[in-house]
Amino acid sequence: GIQVEQSPPDLILQEGANSTLRCNFSDSVNNLQWFHQNPWGQLINLFYIPSGTKQNGRLSATTVATERYSLLYISSSQTTDSGVYFCAVGGLGASKIIFGSGTRLSIRP
Amino acid sequence: DARVTQTPRHKVTEMGQEVTMRCQPILGHNTVFWYRQTMMQGLELLAYFRNRAPLDDSGMPKDRFSAEMPDATLATLKIQPSEPRDSAVYFCASGLAPTGVNTGELFFGEGSRLTVL
Repeated sequence: GIQVEQSPPDLILQEGANSTLRCNFSDSVNNLQWFHQNPWGQLINLFYIPSGTKQNGRLSATTVATERYSLLYISSSQTTDSGVYFCAVGGLGASKIIFGSGTRLSIRP
Repeated sequence: DARVTQTPRHKVTEMGQEVTMRCQPILGHNTVFWYRQTMMQGLELLAYFRNRAPLDDSGMPKDRFSAEMPDATLATLKIQPSEPRDSAVYFCASGLAPTGVNTGELFFGEGSRLTVL
């Protein structure tokens, strides 16, 4: 089945810094989502982005499906951005959605 | 507003007891997923359904876990008998799958935290 790798596993930044999180996948996808798991454990939808680029405020994401990766950009980080960021993918011809192991982001005031 | 509802939010039980977790998907959604989250294994896919039919439950320990959708508004995950290693947060997610195999965007409930003593 499809494999998903996220990097870096951990990231510690000062408030105001920018960051880039990466998601690599091993096969073609028809589904790719980014989630933020906040400190209370809730999984929050960030982007549904099997291809192309989207932006939502300080967050943006780009998926280059032909090269099998997606990037999540966070600009001007705030302490509320802390948590774990997950990439989840569904392969072509498959309905299942598989999660990467996540990037734990800590924003220091 | 539309959301996935999971019950119970917290459950503490003793080894050997039966546990049932319930999920109400977003109205109109036709796809339901069950995931388990532990520190060691991350988010593991247990089972998923489309139009109430199970598509894949290969992630579940078959001897003790079972998942069903009695109707379009209810999905259940049952563990019998429960064991301490089942302690985890169990998430349900629903989506509206367009035609074909693509599942579409998933929306998650708040999870059921299970502790088996």
